[in-house]
Amino acid sequence: DAKTTQPNSMESNEEEPVHLPCNHSTISGTDYIHWYRQLPSQGPEYVIHGLTSNVNNRMASLAIAEDRKSSTLILHRATLRDAAVYYCILRNTDKLIFGTGTRLQVFP
Amino acid sequence: DVKVTQSSRYLVKRTGEKVFLECVQDMDHENMFWYRQDPGLGLRLIYFSYDVKMKEKGDIPEGYSVSREKKERFSLILESASTNQTSMYLCASSPTGGQLSGYTFGSGTRLTVV
Repeated sequence: DAKTTQPNSMESNEEEPVHLPCNHSTISGTDYIHWYRQLPSQGPEYVIHGLTSNVNNRMASLAIAEDRKSSTLILHRATLRDAAVYYCILRNTDKLIFGTGTRLQVFP
Repeated sequence: DVKVTQSSRYLVKRTGEKVFLECVQDMDHENMFWYRQDPGLGLRLIYFSYDVKMKEKGDIPEGYSVSREKKERFSLILESASTNQTSMYLCASSPTGGQLSGYTFGSGTRLTVV
């Protein structure tokens, strides 16, 4: 499975946009880019995924670089409830292999 | 609301006991998975199943087995519990073609082996 690289931690203030980066320089043409988040004391939660084009849903936006070697998860207005560990994962099979993720802290 | 339900939130078992962790999903998903999560090590895949009575080893299957007799239920079995199996266990499910959709996770079972 191709690897992803994410910063260990990031900080944001409430109601500000947050851009969470992910590098995946060895991505293959069939790899989908998935994002999950894990709130404290809960199981991971699906956020968004994409292949080549940028994607939006009610939770977040996913911006994918033209060469697909990096992507950015965008939370448009961070809330305290967005404090979590965010995982960027490449998938081309039914298996989901987690890295260490980015711990996002949100300050009031 | 779609759900993955794990039978226990907290469990305490003794060394050497046989332990069953149960997971049930109500989404008619083909795929089911068991992970464990430990501080500093993240989530690691133990076993997964693509269909009833089918199972595949994940990255850390040693000391574990699984059972999938019905589509909705996937059980993780610790044949003889040891203290190094103290961990948070997470069950998940997804439809076939999972790269096109998300996994749904349960809330986890925190197992302590004493």
